[in-house]
Amino acid sequence: DAKTTQPPSMDCAEGRAANLPCNHSTISGNEYVYWYRQIHSQGPQYIIHGLKNNETNEMASLIITEDRKSSTLILPHATLRDTAVYYCIVRAYGSSNTGKLIFGQGTTLQVKP
Amino acid sequence: DTAVSQTPKYLVTQMGNDKSIKCEQNLGHDTMYWYKQDSKKFLKIMFSYNNKELIINETVPNRFSPKSPDKAHLNLHINSLELGDSAVYFCASSQVANLKANYGYTFGSGTRLTVV
Repeated sequence: DAKTTQPPSMDCAEGRAANLPCNHSTISGNEYVYWYRQIHSQGPQYIIHGLKNNETNEMASLIITEDRKSSTLILPHATLRDTAVYYCIVRAYGSSNTGKLIFGQGTTLQVKP
Repeated sequence: DTAVSQTPKYLVTQMGNDKSIKCEQNLGHDTMYWYKQDSKKFLKIMFSYNNKELIINETVPNRFSPKSPDKAHLNLHINSLELGDSAVYFCASSQVANLKANYGYTFGSGTRLTVV
């Protein structure tokens, strides 16, 4: 599975959009981009995933560049409860390491009042 | 209803003891996992079971032995506990058979193991 690069930390003002970038320049054609977050001391929580089209759900939007080498997770109106570590992960559908998610260091997002 | 539940939530034990952590999921998923998160906060996969069959076994000391009595349960037994085993252990599940529609893993809330 391809590796990802994320900034170690970011700040965001409450009520503003939080834009979390992720580079995955070695991504393969059959690899999806997944985003998870881990709020302090809790288990990681699924946010969103996509292959090549932009995706939106009730939690966030995922923008994937046309060459698929990078993506951005957007939290449209960040709240204090969005303070967490955000992980960008790429993995293949049907990978021989079936179901295996590899977590990097992630981005610690601090939402400030 | 809790989707993935782990017990106990906290476990403090002495070096050399043997302990077990239990995990149950009620999502009907076909695959379950154990992850370890150490003091530096790295999340690393340890084991994965698909329909009770071991499919992922990372480089983990053989003091750690997972057991899956059925596809809704995955327990972790640890023999001869060491100080370095102190960590938070997360159980997770997913439906691998239909990964394209997969909404990802569902994680439990973790078991904080402290070995003294």
